[in-house]
Amino acid sequence: QVQLVQSGAEVKKPGASVRVSCKTSGYTFNIYRITWVRQAPGQGLEWMGWISVYSDKTYYAQNFRDRVTMTADTSTNTLYLDLTSLRSDDTAIYYCARDHFQGGSSPHDYWGQGTLVTVSS
Amino acid sequence: DIQMTQSPSTLSASVGDRVTITCRASQYINTWVAWYQQKPGKAPKFLVYKASSLESGVPSRFSGSGSGTEFTLTISSLQPDDFATYYCQQYNSPPYTFGQGTKVEIK
Repeated sequence: QVQLVQSGAEVKKPGASVRVSCKTSGYTFNIYRITWVRQAPGQGLEWMGWISVYSDKTYYAQNFRDRVTMTADTSTNTLYLDLTSLRSDDTAIYYCARDHFQGGSSPHDYWGQGTLVTVSS
Repeated sequence: DIQMTQSPSTLSASVGDRVTITCRASQYINTWVAWYQQKPGKAPKFLVYKASSLESGVPSRFSGSGSGTEFTLTISSLQPDDFATYYCQQYNSPPYTFGQGTKVEIK
């Protein structure tokens, strides 16, 4: 069965960087894009961007374009989200999610369990 | 960016009620809309895609409709397991923005 398992909670100071991992299994790794979505405490869902392992392309939402990097390790079927210059308003649960369709515009069918990133001095 | 506006923000209902949530897009998006259900402390669950197509395994009491800029998610007979927050999402053009959510609570 399809599974996305994320790394554990992180506590970071303002200005630091964080890496969140998302290990996938149960499907052909490079066929589906992976999207990252975050959710601040008590707030709604914020779409951050996607990575296509197949085409080696990424798309980042404007809000994150200068601070985010999404990468993939095909040897371990793991995706990574790197976020730099952390601020207190980056405190959120970060989710990875698999696209429902192969290529093109798509919603997201399978989700990781989420990783809480807390930014505090 | 395309803005997705959901209404209402909160909805109080009883088991057995018919419930409708509305989502309005700031521009034409054809039928490129999905709906998700989220319970506290859990990841979102994928319910509906292409405005009206039910994901496999989702109960038939859920249905979606709409096209263009107006979309609805309907629960025909609310069950105890349905009390949650629901989000719409457009995937017409990136960033694939979400609505702000509708919390369905017990009346």
